[in-house]
Amino acid sequence: AQSVTQLGSHVSVSEGALVLLRCNYSSSVPPYLFWYVQYPNQGLQLLLKYTTGATLVKGINGFEAEFKKSETSFHLTKPSAHMSDAAEYFCAVRGDVEYGNKLVFGAGTILRVKS
Amino acid sequence: GAGVSQSPSNKVTEKGKDVELRCDPISGHTALYWYRQRLGQGLEFLIYFQGNSAPDKSGLPSDRFSAERTGESVSTLTIQRTQQEDSAVYLCASSLGLAPTGELFFGEGSRLTVL
Repeated sequence: AQSVTQLGSHVSVSEGALVLLRCNYSSSVPPYLFWYVQYPNQGLQLLLKYTTGATLVKGINGFEAEFKKSETSFHLTKPSAHMSDAAEYFCAVRGDVEYGNKLVFGAGTILRVKS
Repeated sequence: GAGVSQSPSNKVTEKGKDVELRCDPISGHTALYWYRQRLGQGLEFLIYFQGNSAPDKSGLPSDRFSAERTGESVSTLTIQRTQQEDSAVYLCASSLGLAPTGELFFGEGSRLTVL
């Protein structure tokens, strides 16, 4: 079974500061890992995903995440926060089809960006 | 339409009433998912459909919940005898297929309030 833990339900950073949103996963099989973002009153949209290959994954809007198998982590970072990054971010994990095709989400982290 | 469409966007009902929530996936997407998002919590998997295969209903919380999908088109999530704990945003998503690396495209959700 897969599960996801996101450390910190709320994160606040100043504009221009580093963004770090933490995600740890539990999976009995090599995982596929995702970050989704939900802007106010909108549906979720994909930021980036890790499937195979390079462990540092780049996504939209300057975000990136690194898959660290030894730490079972997939933390999301952005070097410099913008006001428009304020949103809720969800980490998610999925296994191969034979292990069930559910995309399992973490509880989410609300990012606040201060001017 | 261009994206996943859900209706109604907001529904207020009285405890004990039945409600139906509708999801119109992206044309050509064979997989369709329902998730529930309670206030302050992550996304909780409910059910998914893939083509004509039997749906995975493992996330449905009780027998008051059911969902149908005709072919690869519209899906309806029905909640019978609603309870206050059913209050949540119900999110629908679709994807091209069941590939675990595939992106889910989400609708904006149906917000259900049970008084």
